[in-house]
Amino acid sequence: NAGVTQTPKFQVLKTGQSMTLQCAQDMNHEYMSWYRQDPGMGLRLIHYSVGAGITDQGEVPNGYNVSRSTTEDFPLRLLSAAPSQTSVYFCASSYLPGTSGSADTQYFGPGTRLTVL
Amino acid sequence: TQLLEQSPQFLSIQEGENLTVYCNSSSVFSSLQWYRQEPGEGPVLLVTVVTGGEVKKLKRLTFQFGDARKDSSLHITAAQPGDTGLYHCAGVNNNDMRFGAGTRLTVKP
Repeated sequence: NAGVTQTPKFQVLKTGQSMTLQCAQDMNHEYMSWYRQDPGMGLRLIHYSVGAGITDQGEVPNGYNVSRSTTEDFPLRLLSAAPSQTSVYFCASSYLPGTSGSADTQYFGPGTRLTVL
Repeated sequence: TQLLEQSPQFLSIQEGENLTVYCNSSSVFSSLQWYRQEPGEGPVLLVTVVTGGEVKKLKRLTFQFGDARKDSSLHITAAQPGDTGLYHCAGVNNNDMRFGAGTRLTVKP
């Protein structure tokens, strides 16, 4: 199993450009999510999905769109990049929380380092 | 304002010393997880605690979940240079996972 894969690993954009960060997992996980990691702020949830066709907003969703057409893929789209979106982006996947609400193990991808000039 | 306050943010100690990282919140969580992250990689799960008062041990690492399920601690005994990394706590309620700001630990030989 490849686990969680992310592409590209590095990307530089100009303000106003658009791009899609790709994320794929081969573990048949229902739950997928996107985080951004900034110094001193930890990981912040952008969007998540509990299954194909279902997405929801996290803590910092503005400026980002997602879709989940298949179980395996969960792309993150930046429609008009801004310097404030310079960050490291992580995709993660897991099985859904159990009936007790406790979380299952989240598997993280290696990250995409994005710079917006 | 972080939902989870993690402290300290930075910690530099000598090999063999003990340390504790704290994760505090005013919110109740159904479970809490601790992750460790190496440079250039994504976080990797260390442990999940579910029950209030629960204590879990992973070799020299001891994790505790507060009785009210609002706080947690990670204690490392006799730290080694291999423990160096970025440690995260994450509180979970159903599909909502919130991370603390992280603790960057450096263990000097």
